[in-house]
Amino acid sequence: GAVVSQHPSWVICKSGTSVKIECRSLDFQATTMFWYRQFPKQSLMLMATSNEGSKATYEQGVEKDKFLINHASLTLSTLTVTSAHPEDSSFYICSARDKSYGYTFGSGTRLTVV
Amino acid sequence: DQQVKQNSPSLSVQEGRISILNCDYTNSMFDYFLWYKKYPAEGPTFLISISSIKDKNEDGRFTVFLNKSAKHLSLHIVPSQPGDSAVYFCAASVPLYNQGGKLIFGQGTELSVKP
Repeated sequence: GAVVSQHPSWVICKSGTSVKIECRSLDFQATTMFWYRQFPKQSLMLMATSNEGSKATYEQGVEKDKFLINHASLTLSTLTVTSAHPEDSSFYICSARDKSYGYTFGSGTRLTVV
Repeated sequence: DQQVKQNSPSLSVQEGRISILNCDYTNSMFDYFLWYKKYPAEGPTFLISISSIKDKNEDGRFTVFLNKSAKHLSLHIVPSQPGDSAVYFCAASVPLYNQGGKLIFGQGTELSVKP
């Protein structure tokens, strides 16, 4: 079956620094990838949709300059949280969509900004 | 604007009985509805889905019912097992040609199955 690998699984960073999260589709080519964030006991909120080779489409209220998304190949998308602050602490999850497998989710990244 | 709603934050059921989780939506353009099971600090695990042109889909202990006129779907788990205890998310997909086929999630329902 389809597997999406997300790294790191957890990261702690200092306020003001940037953090990069990677999402890889291991055995299929992901035409579209999605990035979500989840606060404790809340829903998965879609942040942005990225298509290989084109700019990401951000949801309303998501700062594109703060959450940089790059989808340089059909198997890799990255989310960079720039100048992270404590309020950016959250659980980030990526999802890849493929015509054959539908939606496959990564295992998530717990980001803590101190 | 919450397009997918799960109005029950929690549900407690006795082992062996039926669990019924509900979900309402507002957007008639959704083409698929999906149910996911999720544990804290993990990605969601796909359970079952249903096309918007169907009214029922069954897979083992899991059955999803769709009532398009009421914009309502439900997930039935029979019989419920303690291992089913988790948070269940309802999700709806936008057609691929529209906004890349993104998934919109409900708020989740925490299911607890008591032995």
